[in-house]
Amino acid sequence: EVQLVESGGGLVKPGGSLRLSCAASGFTFSSYTISWVRQAPGKGLEWVSSISSGTATPTFYADSLKGRFTISRDNSKNSLYLEMNSLRAEDTALYFCARADPGDFHFDQWGQGTLVIVSS
Amino acid sequence: DIQMTQSPSSLSASVGDRVTITCRASQSIDNFLHWYQQKPGKAPNLLIYAASSLESGVPSRFSGSGSGTDFTLTISGLQPEDFATYYCQQSYSTLFTFGPGTKVHIK
Repeated sequence: EVQLVESGGGLVKPGGSLRLSCAASGFTFSSYTISWVRQAPGKGLEWVSSISSGTATPTFYADSLKGRFTISRDNSKNSLYLEMNSLRAEDTALYFCARADPGDFHFDQWGQGTLVIVSS
Repeated sequence: DIQMTQSPSSLSASVGDRVTITCRASQSIDNFLHWYQQKPGKAPNLLIYAASSLESGVPSRFSGSGSGTDFTLTISGLQPEDFATYYCQQSYSTLFTFGPGTKVHIK
């Protein structure tokens, strides 16, 4: 069974940092592009970042992040990470990791999310 | 970035109704358009990929169509479990984007 399990969320003060993790199982993790998608309370889905499969692993980010977030992966641990710096109140959201189909990159598997709250 | 719009933003419908949701891209995205259903407190669930391909396990009352910039999601015979929010998403660009969502309410 394919599983994606996020962790690392919590309460952080504005300007602070947090590292999210996503543990994958049930599939060949290294073969898939994986993304982070977030959802602010009561709002819609927002794609945050993606990291490609393979050895080069190009990364992509939403323009709105302005270099504050860094995505990475450790294929030996079947894990995805999101390093978030200079956090703002507007980063408060439920953060999902999602697996992208290798063909056309639709998100065919999702985790249940980890909640990040940025507040003083 | 490719911008996605959806209409309507919300709608009220009754069980058994035929419902159509529209998604428009700011530029041509061929058929790199996908639809998700989300219920409160849950992760999104893939319904349709590549504009018109039904994901395995999704009821056949869901269908998708379109290409280029204009796409539709149709629910033929709304069921109680279909009351949810629906999102489109493009993957034509490596900077993926979602539409703002359409919430389907019970009339």
